[in-house]
Amino acid sequence: DAKTTQPNSMESNEEEPVHLPCNHSTISGTDYIHWYRQLPSQGPEYVIHGLTSNVNNRMASLAIAEDRKSSTLILHRATLRDAAVYYCIRPMKTSYDKVIFGPGTSLSVIP
Amino acid sequence: DTGVSQDPRHKITKRGQNVTFRCDPISEHNRLYWYRQTLGQGPEFLTYFQNEAQLEKSRLLSDRFSAERPKGSFSTLEIQRTEQGDSAMYLCASSIQMRDTIYFGEGSWLTVV
Repeated sequence: DAKTTQPNSMESNEEEPVHLPCNHSTISGTDYIHWYRQLPSQGPEYVIHGLTSNVNNRMASLAIAEDRKSSTLILHRATLRDAAVYYCIRPMKTSYDKVIFGPGTSLSVIP
Repeated sequence: DTGVSQDPRHKITKRGQNVTFRCDPISEHNRLYWYRQTLGQGPEFLTYFQNEAQLEKSRLLSDRFSAERPKGSFSTLEIQRTEQGDSAMYLCASSIQMRDTIYFGEGSWLTVV
């Protein structure tokens, strides 16, 4: 079971930072944490992934807790185009490429 | 455009009819996945292929559903004797084996009336 837990929804004001939390308390030492997002009427798109260290890319940052039981996706300045459902995923090593999605966090961005 | 391509994007069909969706993955991606998504839910895994071999099928994939990837390139997902409960978006995705990122298509919306 590749279970992760996320809040159902969050709100943010435009141009402010957003911190999207995810709990994955049963994660093993070799499981990566992946984040995808899904804009309305589109397929999911990759955002970022990491193992132990914090990661940055042009879309977001990923902060991983020292015990790896939780992580936070950080959008540094939310824009209206960031309104989407964000999925935190922990692909299981035994089913490496079988990505299982939960309901995710629906992010609303307020102008 | 070199992304994952799905066709048709929208399909309305009468209950009991058969429908087929096609997916063209990113060139040289040897893994291909099918997911189903209903409103308000995350995508549900249906099946995946490595090259032409179908490696895993979800219990969601009833005997009315069949997926093929005959030459290890494009894939088709056929639904026979459609039911209203089959109404959903069908997502295709592809990846390179053992790489981290999965790339999704825009999805094919199915409405069964």
